[in-house]
Amino acid sequence: GQQVMQIPQYQHVQEGEDFTTYCNSSTTLSNIQWYKQRPGGHPVFLIQLVKSGEVKKQKRLTFQFGEAKKNSSLHITATQTTDVGTYFCAGEVDSSYKLIFGSGTRLLVRP
Amino acid sequence: DVKVTQSSRYLVKRTGEKVFLECVQDMDHENMFWYRQDPGLGLRLIYFSYDVKMKEKGDIPEGYSVSREKKERFSLILESASTNQTSMYLCASSSRKAGGLAFGELFFGEGSRLTVL
Repeated sequence: GQQVMQIPQYQHVQEGEDFTTYCNSSTTLSNIQWYKQRPGGHPVFLIQLVKSGEVKKQKRLTFQFGEAKKNSSLHITATQTTDVGTYFCAGEVDSSYKLIFGSGTRLLVRP
Repeated sequence: DVKVTQSSRYLVKRTGEKVFLECVQDMDHENMFWYRQDPGLGLRLIYFSYDVKMKEKGDIPEGYSVSREKKERFSLILESASTNQTSMYLCASSSRKAGGLAFGELFFGEGSRLTVL
């Protein structure tokens, strides 16, 4: 079936270091969304990317959607302890009315 | 603010019991979802509904059923709970976006942690 793979599973960084998580889909996506889940909380929407090659920024966060619309990345510059949590991508598969989540990347930040 | 409310934060049930998980949203969203979340597996879609009385199976529908009699309410039913259904269950809702996209951003409830003994 359709899958959205996300790597790495965990990342432990020193505060101030950069962080990147990657999503790859086996099929073309019509769009991709990113969510953040703080420990003990529920996923909260960050952004949605729709266009091939799209790049969006939110302060220290940069989101990219691949040219083939099969992969995406989230990059955090100069991590802070408030960035701790699990980051999920979620891809909407073309014409399928299905939103499939990746397995998530858990970010830990050492102060 | 959009609010998605799940009826129970914590439940403990016995094997074979029937379990109802209720979810209500207050923003007139067309789409509603039930996911389960397990460590290392992320969020897996059980069922979703894009309109009243409409439902579509997700990736792991076995052992579950759903009901959507009213637009604001989406119920997940475990007909006969089993220990492998011990999990965190997350309900979400979203609007239907224009431009060929089925989903806007998902708004999640706080989750229902179910333990089946």
